[in-house]
Amino acid sequence: DTEVTQTPKHLVMGMTNKKSLKCEQHMGHRAMYWYKQKAKKPPELMFVYSYEKLSINESVPSRFSPECPNSSLLNLHLHALQPEDSALYLCASSHSGPNSPLHFGNGTRLTVT
Amino acid sequence: EDQVTQSPEALRLQEGESSSLNCSYTVSGLRGLFWYRQDPGKGPEFLFTLYSAGEEKEKERLKATLTKKESFLHITAPKPEDSATYLCAVHVPRGATNKLIFGTGTLLAVQP
Repeated sequence: DTEVTQTPKHLVMGMTNKKSLKCEQHMGHRAMYWYKQKAKKPPELMFVYSYEKLSINESVPSRFSPECPNSSLLNLHLHALQPEDSALYLCASSHSGPNSPLHFGNGTRLTVT
Repeated sequence: EDQVTQSPEALRLQEGESSSLNCSYTVSGLRGLFWYRQDPGKGPEFLFTLYSAGEEKEKERLKATLTKKESFLHITAPKPEDSATYLCAVHVPRGATNKLIFGTGTLLAVQP
């Protein structure tokens, strides 16, 4: 079990659907992250929130929209996705110091049909 | 450009056969090197943080070391349950925060 909880574990959506991925942590971490991982590839950074403010957007297409309602929650809103967006979406959190390790959830397996 | 390279891509060991995984990096302003273990369908699990050259960390059969240009993950007398993908990652500054850059990973298979 991890201390970062992601829901749902699996999601299948059509290209015209709107869905959201959710992430929650109760470790008191003030930095939260979204990563995307394709099969047999390393995780790739999408977004970083620090103290509930968006601090890094890795030029992610606007069909992905992050939201950080409070310090424990992180959402990723999905709209008009493409089949190539199918991947494992990982949420992580960390303390805000420069040497703090990230703690990952087990991800949401997204399939876009 | 910041870069992290891991070798080998895949490694097959017999149970009890010790070996090492390599992570070499070219980054500006290293703020920490991290080792993670990832099992299929799961998120990466944090193993170690190394901050400065010469530092070593140990956990059960794993030992991580760091030099100025690379890190090694030594696996002593591995067991089948050590089979996983091992990811190396480096923290680099990015504006007011940090960015974690992952290497491509080493897929380790330990046969009984």
